[in-house]
Amino acid sequence: GENVEQHPSTLSVQEGDSAVIKCTYSDSASNYFPWYKQELGKRPQLIIDIRSNVGEKKDQRIAVTLNKTAKHFSLHITETQPEDSAVYFCAAVDYKLSFGAGTTVTVRA
Amino acid sequence: SAVISQKPSRDICQRGTSLTIQCQVDSQVTMMFWYRQQPGQSLTLIATANQGSEATYESGFVIDKFPISRPNLTFSTLTVSNMSPEDSSIYLCSVERAGGEETQYFGPGTRLLVL
Repeated sequence: GENVEQHPSTLSVQEGDSAVIKCTYSDSASNYFPWYKQELGKRPQLIIDIRSNVGEKKDQRIAVTLNKTAKHFSLHITETQPEDSAVYFCAAVDYKLSFGAGTTVTVRA
Repeated sequence: SAVISQKPSRDICQRGTSLTIQCQVDSQVTMMFWYRQQPGQSLTLIATANQGSEATYESGFVIDKFPISRPNLTFSTLTVSNMSPEDSSIYLCSVERAGGEETQYFGPGTRLLVL
């Protein structure tokens, strides 16, 4: 089955700086890669996703890149703000949604 | 996205008892799923709730421990049976809408503490 690895496990950035989270996956059949943000005590919320026929996707301050050959994808958050502080999960879909271990992002004011 | 609700939002239970968690969606969906999120951990798929047939369980999860019902396209239940403290977790349902988009949306979760 699919195995998703996510790095780093924790990330502390100064407000206004960029944050990058990287994930790798094992199953070349995976074709859909969503990212979820989970604030403390809340449900995971989809923030952006990318499909295997696209290399990059951007939504305001958030962007995701996908390298199918290398089987890795990344989340980029620019101009970070305190409300970006949360746990971020990457995921990959072959026949089911497999999650990475999560990255705790702290934005320092 | 669909509006998803879960009941109860939290509960404290005694070991050996069972708890049934409900998941309600405001529109018909093709796929419904149940996940477990242990404290400080990622999400693990328990099973896919199939409408009108038995659920499909992932490795490490069995029907006797986690019976699931899905009587229609908007509702599902997960029962955590014969609970032990190791079952203390957040249990979340998620849904995937029609159209094969594969995008899953999560319910608010049920926080379970087993004493």
